[in-house]
Amino acid sequence: NAGVTQTPKFRILKIGQSMTLQCTQDMNHNYMYWYRQDPGMGLKLIYYSVGAGITDKGEVPNGYNVSRSTTEDFPLRLELAAPSQTSVYFCAGTGMGTGELFFGEGSRLTVL
Amino acid sequence: DQQVKQNSPSLSVQEGRISILNCDYTNSMFDYFLWYKKYPAEGPTFLISISSIKDKNEDGRFTVFLNKSAKHLSLHIVPSQPGDSAVYFCAASFNDYKLSFGAGTTVTVRA
Repeated sequence: NAGVTQTPKFRILKIGQSMTLQCTQDMNHNYMYWYRQDPGMGLKLIYYSVGAGITDKGEVPNGYNVSRSTTEDFPLRLELAAPSQTSVYFCAGTGMGTGELFFGEGSRLTVL
Repeated sequence: DQQVKQNSPSLSVQEGRISILNCDYTNSMFDYFLWYKKYPAEGPTFLISISSIKDKNEDGRFTVFLNKSAKHLSLHIVPSQPGDSAVYFCAASFNDYKLSFGAGTTVTVRA
């Protein structure tokens, strides 16, 4: 099993550009999450999903969108990139509602 | 509003000694607490957890203590090993499978 896989690992965007961070999992997780980590800060929840076709906002959803058309895939869309979106993004999933998440390796995004 | 706080950004400990990491929370509704470990350029990995109905949970060299009245939990690592050098995140949730994370504590184990 590959677990939770994120692509790309690194990306540089110009202000105003758009992109999609891909996340796919082969562990049959029902719950999936997108977090961002800024220096000196904890992980902040952007969006989450409790199953295919169901998504909801987390703490910091502005400037992002998600979809969950299949159990396996949970892409994160950035529209009109801003410098404030420079961060490391982590996708995670779990089959349990206990919080024991399996994380991807992260995607480092820089917006210039 | 930071509901989970780790007030020590870093901790340095000698190999073989005990590492104690602290975490405070403000939301009394939290009922499940977890610790995650993170190496550079990797995602966090689950380390140990504790339910609010317990005050201690042990797994090998790792023990988590929960003091609900003080809204405080701690992670003890005994004995500390060089491979324990990492960032440790405290996290909490309340019945809705959304975690709130602390800012992390960087542990350095000295040989």
